[in-house]
Amino acid sequence: KQEVTQIPAALSVPEGENLVLNCSFTDSAIYNLQWFRQDPGKGLTSLLLIQSSQREQTSGRLNASLDKSSGRSTLYIAASQPGDSATYLCAVHTGANSKLTFGKGITLSVRP
Amino acid sequence: DTEVTQTPKHLVMGMTNKKSLKCEQHMGHRAMYWYKQKAKKPPELMFVYSYEKLSINESVPSRFSPECPNSSLLNLHLHALQPEDSALYLCASSWSFGQGAYNEQFFGPGTRLTVL
Repeated sequence: KQEVTQIPAALSVPEGENLVLNCSFTDSAIYNLQWFRQDPGKGLTSLLLIQSSQREQTSGRLNASLDKSSGRSTLYIAASQPGDSATYLCAVHTGANSKLTFGKGITLSVRP
Repeated sequence: DTEVTQTPKHLVMGMTNKKSLKCEQHMGHRAMYWYKQKAKKPPELMFVYSYEKLSINESVPSRFSPECPNSSLLNLHLHALQPEDSALYLCASSWSFGQGAYNEQFFGPGTRLTVL
């Protein structure tokens, strides 16, 4: 059974800092991995999707990497801003039905 | 248009009420999903529809009844709910369901349900 872990559960950084959010998964037989952002009480916004054959994806100040063999992904946020404060969830597509398995998320607070 | 819409945004209902949640997408996606999310927890999959047919029911109680009238619309009918069913209900869609590259899921804003 696939398990996705995100540690730490919460992170507080000063504005302008570059930061890395980590995600690990137990079954390396994934189809792809998605990073989401969720603001309190809101839906999920898809940030980046990395296919199993890819090593990384970039969108603006965000860069996500994937090391499938070691079961790890990182989300790099450059020059963090208070508006980046949110919960970031990692999810992997695994199995014959390709269901999404989510981590518990990392709640990020960027201090002005 | 990469938008999934959900109505209503908020819903308060008694345990004897019958209500429905609605989800709509116009991206041509053929897979649609219902998730339930409790506070400070990740979303939990409830149902998956693929090409308007129910593909997955994650052992959800029968008081939740999904319906997919067409490829753009997904409903969740609620009846005789319990207070513990209070949660954020999220709808999502993707090009397809199953193996392959075209299953990036796009989520709606959710319906905040409170059962009294």
